[in-house]
Amino acid sequence: GESVGLHLPTLSVQEGDNSIINCAYSNSASDYFIWYKQESGKGPQFIIDIRSNMDKRQGQRVTVLLNKTVKHLSLQIAATQPGDSAVYFCAESRDSSYKLIFGSGTRLLVRP
Amino acid sequence: SAVISQKPSRDICQRGTSLTIQCQVDSQVTMMFWYRQQPGQSLTLIATANQGSEATYESGFVIDKFPISRPNLTFSTLTVSNMSPEDSSIYLCSVEGLAGGPRETQYFGPGTRLLVL
Repeated sequence: GESVGLHLPTLSVQEGDNSIINCAYSNSASDYFIWYKQESGKGPQFIIDIRSNMDKRQGQRVTVLLNKTVKHLSLQIAATQPGDSAVYFCAESRDSSYKLIFGSGTRLLVRP
Repeated sequence: SAVISQKPSRDICQRGTSLTIQCQVDSQVTMMFWYRQQPGQSLTLIATANQGSEATYESGFVIDKFPISRPNLTFSTLTVSNMSPEDSSIYLCSVEGLAGGPRETQYFGPGTRLLVL
C-alpha cells in the first residue's frame, strides 16, 4: 500500500456514529471551500463545497459548516460507514484565483 | 464529473532519468493543474498548465525540472527531469471548468505513484 496519510491526525469513530472533521483556513479573503476524500491508491474525490456567503450546506449524509469569524470549516458525516474510511482534505480558493490551497488532512478510521 | 486518466499509474525509476506523465480528460476543460503529494502529506500545486502557452509555476518549482505541455483542451503532460529519490511522490493532475459545474471546483485524476531509486 502507499503511505498517504501515515503521519496525519486520525479520527476514529464507531460505525453508525456521526463524524466531525475540522479544518482551519488561513486567509480571510478565501471565498470558496471544498472538501475532498482520498482513499488509498486513489486521487482526491470531490465531496461538497461551500461559498463564503453561506454558513451551511448539506449533501447526502454530509454537511459542511463555515465559520468565517474564526476561519473554521467542518465536515459532518452522518451515520459513518466503513466506506467512509479515508483521508479528508479541506481546500480554499482565494478571491478571483484558480488556485486551491489544501489543508494538511485528517485520516478517518471507522471501527466496525 | 469528467473521466480523468493518468499514465503511467505507477513507476519505479533510476536516479538521473526522466519520466513523462500524461493526463487525459474525456471533455474539454478550461484549466488543468499538476500537483505533488509527498508521502504522508497534503497536496502542493506545482503549476497551472496553460493551453498554447508556457505553464505557470508555483514558488519552488521550475520549468527545467518540471516541464509541462498542454497542446489542447483535453491533454497535458508533466515531465519529472533528472530524478532523485526526493522526487518520489504521487503526481496528480486536476481539471477545472467542467460544463455544468462550479467554476472553481477541481476534479482529480487517479495519480501517478513514482518511486526513484
